[in-house]
Amino acid sequence: AQSVTQPDIHITVSEGASLELRCNYSYGATPYLFWYVQSPGQGLQLLLKYFSGDTLVQGIKGFEAEFKRSQSSFNLRKPSVHWSDAAEYFCAVETGRDDKIIFGKGTRLHILP
Amino acid sequence: GAGVSQTPSNKVTEKGKYVELRCDPISGHTALYWYRQSLGQGPEFLIYFQGTGAADDSGLPNDRFFAVRPEGSVSTLKIQRTERGDSAVYLCASSFGGGLRDTQYFGPGTRLTVL
Repeated sequence: AQSVTQPDIHITVSEGASLELRCNYSYGATPYLFWYVQSPGQGLQLLLKYFSGDTLVQGIKGFEAEFKRSQSSFNLRKPSVHWSDAAEYFCAVETGRDDKIIFGKGTRLHILP
Repeated sequence: GAGVSQTPSNKVTEKGKYVELRCDPISGHTALYWYRQSLGQGPEFLIYFQGTGAADDSGLPNDRFFAVRPEGSVSTLKIQRTERGDSAVYLCASSFGGGLRDTQYFGPGTRLTVL
């Protein structure tokens, strides 16, 4: 069965520093891949998604992610974080055989002033 | 425009009671999804509606859980004989046509606490 692993439960970075959140998936073929952000008191918001084509995907709020088939990874990056980026980030996968999205357990991002 | 709304935002109930959670999707969205998010976990799929019918209910944990969408808009998630393990945030999402190429828009969730 397909699965998603986010190895870091918490990440702390200083404001203005670069960010990379890791995500690994388990699936035999190329899945559909997503990153969502969940801020306190707000619903999940889609940051970006990958279906096919260019392996570097641009999203909202200055985020990007790169699909690496050889590593089964879809890491999220941002060159310079802002205090407002503090939130929980979820990587998710869908295999294309149904409409169910499988989410990772999330990475909570803390920003130091 | 209005996003996905969920009511109530918080629900506290006693073990064994019946609860209903409501979801108002974005107007015109035909697809509606329910997820459950337990503490420290990512959202877990429960059920997917396309119009009035449940296209996939494979995520419902047992027969105490049931959901309806009688007019293809508002949906209600119903939980009978609640148990402490049902405590979680229940999320609703909607999308324009369903399918993974349509972005799912999530509501703020209903936090259910079973005492």
